[in-house]
This record gives sequence, C-alpha cells and structure tokens, in this order.
Amino acid sequence: GAVVSQHPSRVICKSGTSVKIECRSLDFQATTMFWYRQFPKQSLMLMATSNEGSKATYEQGVEKDKFLINHASLTLSTLTVTSAHPEDSSFYICSARDRQGAREQYFGPGTRLTVT
Amino acid sequence: QQQVKQSPQSLIVQKGGISIINCAYENTAFDYFPWYQQFPGKGPALLIAIRPDVSEKKEGRFTISFNKSAKQFSLHIMDSQPGDSATYFCAANYQGGKLIFGQGTELSVKP
Repeated sequence: GAVVSQHPSRVICKSGTSVKIECRSLDFQATTMFWYRQFPKQSLMLMATSNEGSKATYEQGVEKDKFLINHASLTLSTLTVTSAHPEDSSFYICSARDRQGAREQYFGPGTRLTVT
Repeated sequence: QQQVKQSPQSLIVQKGGISIINCAYENTAFDYFPWYQQFPGKGPALLIAIRPDVSEKKEGRFTISFNKSAKQFSLHIMDSQPGDSATYFCAANYQGGKLIFGQGTELSVKP
C-alpha cells in the first residue's frame, strides 16, 4: 500500500519551454501532497505543499509563477515548470500523506529534469 | 531552529558490521522523526520512524535511538549488508506535516 507514482521519470526540454510533471497516489487518497527538489549529492528541499482543491503553499524563495502546482483531485497533483532554464535542471520528487493529520509521507520515484 | 544536522557525511562499514548515523535538532516542536533510504536515481523510501515520547524503536535490523533531552536521534543498522549501500536521510516533522531533512549520509558496505 501507499504507492506514489510520477510521470515522466525523465524529461529533457529546451530552455524557455514548459514541462509538466504528474504525481499520483495509486492506492490511497492524498489530501496533501508535497513537492521537493534535489540537486546532485544534496538533500531534499521542500518547494511547496499542495492541498486538494486549494492553492499551493510555497516555501520561501520558491517562485510560484515559475513552479505552478495544481492539486485537482485526491489522487493527482501536477508541477509545471514554466520558462525552464538550465538552472532548473534537477531531480523533482513528490510525496503524499494518506490521511489528514498523518505524519508519514510516501515518496514518488522522482523525475529527472534536464533543461538544455 | 529549523535545521536537522546529520553526521557523518559518508560512512564505510564492513559487511556484518554496525552502521551508525546521527542527527541533532533544535526545535522542540518537531513531533515525528523518520529515516529514509534513497538509492541513486530513486525517490526516498521510508525506513523507520519514531515519535519523541519513545526512546527506542526497532524494526528488523534497523533501530532508532532517541534522546529527547539531548535533542539527538540515531539510526543503527545491525549486520550491515552490501545491499544496504545507499544514502540515508533523517528528517523531522513540523508545522503539521512538513519535513525538514538532514544533509544525508552516503553509506557504503564493503563485502
């Protein structure tokens, strides 16, 4: 149980274009999903918290107009990187909680974004 | 205040040995402390977790020791195996569900 998937697993895009990453909870309803970014050999940094049906809450320093998050249903959240630049190249990982008040977060397999 | 400090950065252990990774925190509002295991190119996987009212939790070869007064907690991997070679992250939960991660420890278990 508590499986989270991400699509795509890898994506290469040209500078200036936008790319969408999907995060799905496969066997549970996720009231809250989180998006993280991880650079090589570094830790995970929380970008934003996404609650179903409401606007995402972004961490300090994360550009909300650049990283658009939509949590349209209890099983799907999307992250769109707009006008991507090479410095946006990173490993993007989502996670989900399976119930309100739960502390456990279950992580997806990650999406490797490369901007050329 | 919101940091979780993890050490060592890297660790080499012989097969069968004990791997020990330590974390320290400052914020007493943290209420849940998980450990994650991450293999290269993969997402982190929840390994074991503890709440601050418990001093120790064991699951198979993995044990968390928690010292609330010292604001420290550690992961012990008994009988370490080459398959345990991965990066390990400690974390702390705050503000109703956000996780703060430690810097990570790259563990290498030599056969």
